[in-house]
Amino acid sequence: KQEVTQIPAALSVPEGENLVLNCSFTDSAIYNLQWFRQDPGKGLTSLLLIQSSQREQTSGRLNASLDKSSGRSTLYIAASQPGDSATYLCAVRPSGNNRLAFGKGNQVVVIP
Amino acid sequence: GAGVSQSPSNKVTEKGKDVELRCDPISGHTALYWYRQRLGQGLEFLIYFQGNSAPDKSGLPSDRFSAERTGESVSTLTIQRTQQEDSAVYLCASSSASGRETQYFGPGTRLLVL
Repeated sequence: KQEVTQIPAALSVPEGENLVLNCSFTDSAIYNLQWFRQDPGKGLTSLLLIQSSQREQTSGRLNASLDKSSGRSTLYIAASQPGDSATYLCAVRPSGNNRLAFGKGNQVVVIP
Repeated sequence: GAGVSQSPSNKVTEKGKDVELRCDPISGHTALYWYRQRLGQGLEFLIYFQGNSAPDKSGLPSDRFSAERTGESVSTLTIQRTQQEDSAVYLCASSSASGRETQYFGPGTRLLVL
């Protein structure tokens, strides 16, 4: 069974600092890995999708890396802003099935 | 265009009652997923529909849970004889194809069983 772990569970940073969020997964046989953002009382918004053959994806201030062999992904958010405050979820789609396996999330607070 | 919508947004029910949750996927999306998010926990997969194929029901926690989808349209998740441990946010997602595509999530239905 695929297990996804996100560290740290929660963190607070002052505005302007870079954020580094870590995700690890136990089974390297994956189709893709996805980072989502979840705001309180709302659904999930997809941020970045990395296919198993890719090493990283970038979108604006966000960069996500994937090291499939070691079962790790890192989400970098450059020059954090208060609007980045949210919970960030990592999800892995294992090879052979269509369900996503989610971590419990990194709860981020960016202090103005 | 319109995203994934879910109704109701909130539902409070008494233990033992049945509830029905609805999901309207993005038009044209063949794949539809239901997940459950309990307080402080990660999302748990419940069920997956792909076109007219038999659904993957392997995530349903008990036989009190069932879901239906007609073709590539609306899906309903039914919980019979609700229990307090069923209290959670139920999230629906859809995607244009299985596997390599982004899943787009609805806002969820917050279910509270008293």
